[in-house]
Amino acid sequence: AQSVTQLGSHVSVSEGALVLLRCNYSSSVPPYLFWYVQYPNQGLQLLLKYTSAATLVKGINGFEAEFKKSETSFHLTKPSAHMSDAAEYFCAVNQAGTALIFGKGTTLSVSS
Amino acid sequence: SQTIHQWPATLVQPVGSPLSLECTVEGTSNPNLYWYRQAAGRGLQLLFYSVGIGQISSEVPQNLSASRPQDRQFILSSKKLLLSDSGFYLCAWSQGGGTDTQYFGPGTRLTVL
Repeated sequence: AQSVTQLGSHVSVSEGALVLLRCNYSSSVPPYLFWYVQYPNQGLQLLLKYTSAATLVKGINGFEAEFKKSETSFHLTKPSAHMSDAAEYFCAVNQAGTALIFGKGTTLSVSS
Repeated sequence: SQTIHQWPATLVQPVGSPLSLECTVEGTSNPNLYWYRQAAGRGLQLLFYSVGIGQISSEVPQNLSASRPQDRQFILSSKKLLLSDSGFYLCAWSQGGGTDTQYFGPGTRLTVL
């Protein structure tokens, strides 16, 4: 069965610092992987999607993620955090099925 | 472009009362539609999905039901709400199934008292 684990329910960084949000997946076949962002009381917005075309995926708002099969990871990074990046981030996996399997989310706080 | 609407945005209902949440999609045809529930600290849970009019698949047995009376309309219902039904309900659509990207609506915050 597929699963997603997001390490760290809460990550705090200073403005301008590197953002690293961790995601590990479990899948028996090559997965499709997603990162979504959710601002308070809003729906989820797609940040980026891995579809096996390239291991380094660039998304919106300066975020990117690298697929590492050997580590079964799909960590999300941004070189320099901005106050507007404060939100909850969800990693999800989809393996040629219908449902997205979501992690429990990581709340990112950015301090000035 | 495609847009997805949900209403109401917030709802406070007493235990035992009925529920109807609506989701509509514009700008596409024959989308796959999904209902998710987000409870505090528990991530997102898929409740129902639909690949066409009148076709509903349930992922979690509970006192909720879903219907799809029109191609781009998806309704979540309950005859009698429980306290445990409180949460943030999200509707999503995708153009196909499988690995297609799902796009989410703005959500409905339901509080059952």
